[in-house]
Amino acid sequence: QVQLVESGGGVVQPEKSLRLSCAASGFTFSSYAVHWVRQAPGKGLEWVAVISYDGNDKYYADSVKGRFTISRDNSKYTLYLEVNSLRSEDTAVYYCARALLGEVRGYMDVWGKGTAVSVSS
Amino acid sequence: EIVLTQSPATLSLSPGERATLSCRASQSVSTYLAWYQQSPGQAPRLLIYDASNRATGIPARFSGSGSGTDFTLTISSLEPEDFAVYYCHQRSNWPPSLTFGGGTKVEIK
Repeated sequence: QVQLVESGGGVVQPEKSLRLSCAASGFTFSSYAVHWVRQAPGKGLEWVAVISYDGNDKYYADSVKGRFTISRDNSKYTLYLEVNSLRSEDTAVYYCARALLGEVRGYMDVWGKGTAVSVSS
Repeated sequence: EIVLTQSPATLSLSPGERATLSCRASQSVSTYLAWYQQSPGQAPRLLIYDASNRATGIPARFSGSGSGTDFTLTISSLEPEDFAVYYCHQRSNWPPSLTFGGGTKVEIK
C-alpha cells in the first residue's frame, strides 16, 4: 500500500545538525512532489518545505530558510531534510507528506507517522 | 502571508449531531483550500480539497463549502471516530508559502 515512513529524529543540542529521512513505497515516488510539515508539541501544523518530483524546484518556509535543506533520491525512493543550526523552536514532530496530483503547491494526500526532533542542551 | 483563522477553537457536541467548522482567510484564496483531520497521536488525514472535493475514501458525511475568504467544513452526523482536531490549509499564496489554520477541536460533550 501507499506508505511514507520517516526516520532520523532524536534529541539534539542547540546549533547541532540532523538529517531526517522519509522512505516511500507503494507508488511511483519520482512522479510526486513531497512536503515536510512539522508540529510542535501541543501546537498546530506548520509547513516546512517542498521539493518537486525531479528535485529541481525547492521551496522553504521563512522560519527555516537558510538552515534546512530538502533533497531526494528517486532511485532510493527517499526524501531527506537536512536540519542545521537547530533551535529550541525547531522541536517538533516532522512529517513527510505526498503532494496531491504531484504538484509542488499540492495539498498533502498521504502522510507518514512522523519522526520527533527535540532540541535541548 | 495569508493568515487562516479557524473558529470555534473547540466545539463540544454529541455523537449524531451536526458539526459546522469555520475557516476565514485574511485575503481571498479563491477555492484553494483544504481540510485535514488529526486524531490524537495520529498523522493528519486529507478530507476535503479545493474547498468542496472529498478526498479518496472520505465518507459522504463530510462536506466542504465556500470561496474567497470564508469556508465551512460540515460533518452531517458525528461518528465516534470524528472527534478530533480539524485544520484548514491554503495553497493560494504560492509561492512563497503554504499556511494552515490554528485548528478546531471537536470534542465529545
